[in-house]
Amino acid sequence: GENVEQHPSTLSVQEGDSAVIKCTYSDSASNYFPWYKQELGKRPQLIIDIRSNVGEKKDQRIAVTLNKTAKHFSLHITETQPEDSAVYFCAASNGNQFYFGTGTSLTVIP
Amino acid sequence: NAGVTQTPKFQVLKTGQSMTLQCAQDMNHEYMSWYRQDPGMGLRLIHYSVGAGITDQGEVPNGYNVSRSTTEDFPLRLLSAAPSQTSVYFCASSYSRPFSGRAGELFFGEGSRLTVL
Repeated sequence: GENVEQHPSTLSVQEGDSAVIKCTYSDSASNYFPWYKQELGKRPQLIIDIRSNVGEKKDQRIAVTLNKTAKHFSLHITETQPEDSAVYFCAASNGNQFYFGTGTSLTVIP
Repeated sequence: NAGVTQTPKFQVLKTGQSMTLQCAQDMNHEYMSWYRQDPGMGLRLIHYSVGAGITDQGEVPNGYNVSRSTTEDFPLRLLSAAPSQTSVYFCASSYSRPFSGRAGELFFGEGSRLTVL
């Protein structure tokens, strides 16, 4: 089956700086790569996703890049704000099964 | 439009007891799934369903049972609870079309915290 690895497990940045979280996957059949944000005690919520036919996608301060050849994808958050503090999960899917990374706890220091 | 509703939110069981976690969605999603979330291990897929009458196993199915008699409901049954099943459980649904190979956004319920003593 698919194996998704996520790094780093914790990340602290100063407010206004950028944050980058990286994931790798193993199954070349995976074609959908979402990122979820989970605030403490809350449910995970989608923040951005990318499909395998696209190399990069942006949504305001958030961007995701995908390198199919190397089987890795990354989340980039620019101009970080305290409300960006949360746990972020990457995932890979082949259509029916979703495999999640182990999460990155992001802390934005005011 | 309530989205994905899970009950109960909290439950304490003794080893060997059985129980059912309920999940219902009102978005007419074909795809539904159950995950468990443990510290440092992310979300792991237990079972999923691509439509009424169709279920399949995920990464960690042992000790759990599911059924999908309607599009709206996808209950998760613990047959004989064990301390290793202490976890937070999330139900999630998606508008993905079955068998299309094209996944879509997962909409999660609020979670159910289960403790097995």
